[in-house]
Amino acid sequence: ETAVFQTPNYHVTQVGNEVSFNCKQTLGHDTMYWYKQDSKKLLKIMFSYNNKQLIVNETVPRRFSPQSSDKAHLNLRIKSVEPEDSAVYLCASSRTGGEDTQYFGPGTRLLVL
Amino acid sequence: GDSVTQTEGQVALSEEDFLTIHCNYSASGYPALFWYVQYPGEGPQFLFRASRDKEKGSSRGFEATYDKGTTSFHLRKASVQESDSAVYYCALGVGNMGYKLTFGTGTSLLVDP
Repeated sequence: ETAVFQTPNYHVTQVGNEVSFNCKQTLGHDTMYWYKQDSKKLLKIMFSYNNKQLIVNETVPRRFSPQSSDKAHLNLRIKSVEPEDSAVYLCASSRTGGEDTQYFGPGTRLLVL
Repeated sequence: GDSVTQTEGQVALSEEDFLTIHCNYSASGYPALFWYVQYPGEGPQFLFRASRDKEKGSSRGFEATYDKGTTSFHLRKASVQESDSAVYYCALGVGNMGYKLTFGTGTSLLVDP
């Protein structure tokens, strides 16, 4: 099966903890993304990587750091989470970038207590 | 910067009603336009796209026509079903302006049986 996979599905943690989310795509794409979806369902780009290189880094707090080991994997680490980090984190991939169609994973739901 | 406007936050219909969700965009380049659908607990699913003026995209009975003159890409369906209940997002991507999609605020569609 070719798709975008994310783990974990759901994570609950305390303020100040570190969390890490994983994303893997088996579509053979060169570009991967992290989006944040807030409680109002707004979707905002956080990062994009093309061939393991960071291309887009929107205005994201420094406690967020993406990590790419190869074209098929893009992880997201959050150091010292805060309550406003509670959201759904969506990973996506596309063949290249720009106007290419992006395919999304199921998301990781983070709740910070 | 680039932006997408969806005027309807929520739409409530009965089965077999006609659906229109409005999408207008503003972009510095010549964008590709997309519609995505998101069901509860899932990531956004690609519906269809259009890349040039007057091109029509369609899938699963939904359709939209790229209109450069009115900067619009309105989603339409002739006869909705209860299973169409979901959140619909209009998005744009600009080929040479970076690696990201810019999403509208989403329209929640609820179809009563």
